[in-house]
Amino acid sequence: QKEVEQNSGPLSVPEGAIASLNCTYSDRGSQSFFWYRQYSGKSPELIMFIYSNGDKEDGRFTAQLNKASQYVSLLIRDSQPSDSATYLCAVNNGGDSGGSNYKLTFGKGTLLTVNP
Amino acid sequence: KAGVTQTPRYLIKTRGQQVTLSCSPISGHRSVSWYQQTPGQGLQFLFEYFSETQRNKGNFPGRFSGRQFSNSRSEMNVSTLELGDSALYLCASSLSSGYQPQHFGDGTRLSIL
Repeated sequence: QKEVEQNSGPLSVPEGAIASLNCTYSDRGSQSFFWYRQYSGKSPELIMFIYSNGDKEDGRFTAQLNKASQYVSLLIRDSQPSDSATYLCAVNNGGDSGGSNYKLTFGKGTLLTVNP
Repeated sequence: KAGVTQTPRYLIKTRGQQVTLSCSPISGHRSVSWYQQTPGQGLQFLFEYFSETQRNKGNFPGRFSGRQFSNSRSEMNVSTLELGDSALYLCASSLSSGYQPQHFGDGTRLSIL
């Protein structure tokens, strides 16, 4: 069973702090990695994606990938109350050479609460 | 650029009925995936379509089916509805496949009475 694991939380941080969200995956063939934010009652919104080992920064968000450790993380700097949401990690197996068996597997999400 | 559009937004059905949900992808996107989201199970993959072909299917019973049209629009059908089918059904589109990010619609919330 190919899985994506996240701490369910809740993760509570004060406003202005760094929030660190972690995700591990079991399929070594995974090729691309995504972070989605989902507010209560809304659909997931893509906030970051990363394909290569290392860090990728976009504004207050940094995604980190370590394929050897099968680990991907999301850092949110200067956390704001508006960042309070569930963060979903998703891993894409990339499909096979013919483009079949393409599948995005989601973790169950980490609930982040940023306290004013 | 318009996002992914799902209709209807809300549906109430009774057990045994069937339902069809619709998804229009972002213009130019050819891959459409469907997911079921429930509080207990999270987001679970139903199936993915590309160029009118189903390329992958999740572990759902045959009551769940779908199709994609030549304009990339997709429909999902659930027959013989059960109480456990109550969920948020999400459609996501991407340019092609593999490494491309998926973008979600607002979902259809299905309630079974």
